[in-house]
Amino acid sequence: KAGVTQTPRYLIKTRGQQVTLSCSPISGHRSVSWYQQTPGQGLQFLFEYFSETQRNKGNFPGRFSGRQFSNSRSEMNVSTLELGDSALYLCASSLDPGLEETQYFGPGTRLLVL
Amino acid sequence: KQEVTQIPAALSVPEGENLVLNCSFTDSAIYNLQWFRQDPGKGLTSLLLIQSSQREQTSGRLNASLDKSSGRSTLYIAASQPGDSATYLCARYTGFQKLVFGTGTRLLVSP
Repeated sequence: KAGVTQTPRYLIKTRGQQVTLSCSPISGHRSVSWYQQTPGQGLQFLFEYFSETQRNKGNFPGRFSGRQFSNSRSEMNVSTLELGDSALYLCASSLDPGLEETQYFGPGTRLLVL
Repeated sequence: KQEVTQIPAALSVPEGENLVLNCSFTDSAIYNLQWFRQDPGKGLTSLLLIQSSQREQTSGRLNASLDKSSGRSTLYIAASQPGDSATYLCARYTGFQKLVFGTGTRLLVSP
């Protein structure tokens, strides 16, 4: 069974631009979560989606948004990019969110904002 | 606010040693805990999930324990190998699949 895939793997943008990242969960998984990893703040939760509904959101500004499609694939969007948005963005999928089951992470998208 | 602390921040050992990584958390609520490893520039690999009703989980040379009363979890690695070199992260579930991560322990195992 294929793992969690994320595209693109690397991205370079300039301040003020917007970016869309994509995540395809493991087949059959319906919950997708997004995390931001930076050297200073470590891993921080962005949001979680299940059945196309955002069920939980972290403490990030409204510039960060996401959505989930009927096939469970998810995208996250960052508008008006700032230098501090440079980070590794990780998504994770799990089978049954109600049971807090093991989350499986993708390889991440490394975003550099210049 | 949920806090997760990991000590030590870094650890360097010779190959073959048994070692213990520590994780402590402030919230005593009954939630699951997961251990991950992360290789440089890569995503996270799940190692062990300890459910709130369990006290420990084992997978190969890895053993993780959970003590809710003291707010601690430990990851024991037996007979360490150079391939174990990575950053190890523990994370607590806080509902709706939200994980709160510790800062990690960077492990280097020398041949």
